[in-house]
Amino acid sequence: QKEVEQDPGPLSVPEGAIVSLNCTYSNSAFQYFMWYRQYSRKGPELLMYTYSSGNKEDGRFTAQVDKSSKYISLFIRDSQPSDSATYLCAITTGNQFYFGTGTSLTVIP
Amino acid sequence: SAVISQKPSRDICQRGTSLTIQCQVDSQVTMMFWYRQQPGQSLTLIATANQGSEATYESGFVIDKFPISRPNLTFSTLTVSNMSPEDSSIYLCSVESGLAGLGSQYFGPGTRLTVL
Repeated sequence: QKEVEQDPGPLSVPEGAIVSLNCTYSNSAFQYFMWYRQYSRKGPELLMYTYSSGNKEDGRFTAQVDKSSKYISLFIRDSQPSDSATYLCAITTGNQFYFGTGTSLTVIP
Repeated sequence: SAVISQKPSRDICQRGTSLTIQCQVDSQVTMMFWYRQQPGQSLTLIATANQGSEATYESGFVIDKFPISRPNLTFSTLTVSNMSPEDSSIYLCSVESGLAGLGSQYFGPGTRLTVL
């Protein structure tokens, strides 16, 4: 079983839609949860991070962690064409990092 | 956040040759990481490079194939040796951020390698 599982998509939504991206993980020892955004031909950039269950909001982005279900989500409100990218979840114990395979998102104008 | 640059940004190489990838950070960092990113796969950690010590390699990666140098706190190189088409991938360096004690990483733009 992989440490982190992520649906690769691709996901295609119209501009203005709410996007939900999800990952599951296997080890309850994981403490820190991150989302990275990767534009084509660029390195991943840190989008959001959290270390507790619940929601964390940053503008149009909300990161949600449910430790009881080992499930993390990233919600994008009012999606824009500039949000078109691959989104990777990442989980760490603080020593070991595990990345999802990434979900490809296209926001259609 | 750290600003990371990599050279070259891309290269096309012949089988059996070697390529050295450079990673430069705009601030001093203790740990630098080298990853491989293949299509449809998650980022795979190759090794962790600390200044002044031997790099630590992950399972499936060996120093003879991926020698790493870390001469100072802002620079590292990864060499892909005796390349084969299976080495075609994006290679990324990253550094750990001290975000309020949390572990997270910042990545360079990547080096896109194609081996013919």
